[in-house]
Amino acid sequence: AQTVTQSQPEMSVQEAETVTLSCTYDTSESDYYLFWYKQPPSRQMILVIRQEAYKQQNATENRFSVNFQKAAKSFSLKISDSQLGDAAMYFCACTSGTYKYIFGTGTRLKVLA
Amino acid sequence: DVKVTQSSRYLVKRTGEKVFLECVQDMDHENMFWYRQDPGLGLRLIYFSYDVKMKEKGDIPEGYSVSREKKERFSLILESASTNQTSMYLCASSYPGGLPEAFFGQGTRLTVV
Repeated sequence: AQTVTQSQPEMSVQEAETVTLSCTYDTSESDYYLFWYKQPPSRQMILVIRQEAYKQQNATENRFSVNFQKAAKSFSLKISDSQLGDAAMYFCACTSGTYKYIFGTGTRLKVLA
Repeated sequence: DVKVTQSSRYLVKRTGEKVFLECVQDMDHENMFWYRQDPGLGLRLIYFSYDVKMKEKGDIPEGYSVSREKKERFSLILESASTNQTSMYLCASSYPGGLPEAFFGQGTRLTVV
């Protein structure tokens, strides 16, 4: 069975600073995918970034990047130059690509002006 | 852009009522999902469907059923609503091939009184 753990219920960051959200996972699959989703107050879940487990290179999308440590089963999200619009719940998720997506419990990010 | 539409953003129902939550996607995705989101528990999978008329139980199926008569539509049914089913319900869809990104609806906040 797959599990995803987010140990930080809430984080705060000053505007323009950098913040890292933590995620660990466990899976018996050899082929899997990892995601970070953002859920703003509007509730619409939006994909932030994804990582294929077979790729060694860390994924990057503009100000968002991941630190994927496969052996440690760790998948953290780094947000650089934080903006007020980054304030949201962030969910880490894992899927083996078949059907089920397993989500963590989420981290609420506050951005301080 | 993929669009996943949930029929209601807010619903208030009485205990014992039969409740239908509707979800429609416009991208011909094979996979569709219903999640329940509660504070501190993240997203928990109720049911998923990988084809028309096909369904499988997720992690918390008790008290729920689903229907998928057409590929684009996936309904969640609360047979006899109870107060402990007050929650946020999220529908999602995905395509099983390629990069398995899940696309979400805007969520339905259900209150059972």
